[in-house]
Amino acid sequence: GESVGLHLPTLSVQEGDNSIINCAYSNSASDYFIWYKQESGKGPQFIIDIRSNMDKRQGQRVTVLLNKTVKHLSLQIAATQPGDSAVYFCAGSNAGNNRKLIWGLGTSLAVNP
Amino acid sequence: DVKVTQSSRYLVKRTGEKVFLECVQDMDHENMFWYRQDPGLGLRLIYFSYDVKMKEKGDIPEGYSVSREKKERFSLILESASTNQTSMYLCASSLPVKYGYTFGSGTRLTVV
Repeated sequence: GESVGLHLPTLSVQEGDNSIINCAYSNSASDYFIWYKQESGKGPQFIIDIRSNMDKRQGQRVTVLLNKTVKHLSLQIAATQPGDSAVYFCAGSNAGNNRKLIWGLGTSLAVNP
Repeated sequence: DVKVTQSSRYLVKRTGEKVFLECVQDMDHENMFWYRQDPGLGLRLIYFSYDVKMKEKGDIPEGYSVSREKKERFSLILESASTNQTSMYLCASSLPVKYGYTFGSGTRLTVV
């Protein structure tokens, strides 16, 4: 079946460094991708999304890159701060069912002071 | 501020009880979802609804049912709670999914 997956379950970075969280997907027909941040004890919160007609999209301190050739997307966080410590999920549209997203398992980002 | 509200943050129930988890959204979203979240397993879809009185099974519907009598409210029902249903339950809503989901804060259910 379709899948969306993260490459690493955990990532540890120094405060001030840039973080890169990677995600792969299986279905080339998926045309919408989204990143969420989940802090401890809270529900996931939207960070940034990207459609398949784009390769890159930037937000505030975050950039999402989409490589459709290898079915890979990444979330880059610039100048990582302690408040960025959270679990990050990627999700993609389900080409077979346009009503729901397919979720990755999440990467836990730890920011060391 | 638009939001998805889950009725309880923490809930403790006994094995065999019938449990209702309520979710209300104020964004006039057509789609609503129930997920459970367990360590190492990510978000697993239980049920979703794309219209009033319409529902569709997700990946793990066994032991659960849902009700959507009004557009803004989506209820998850555990017919006879079991200890393996101890989990974090997340409700979400969306317009057509290519605009993303909005999640509630979650209900941490413990079945003893």
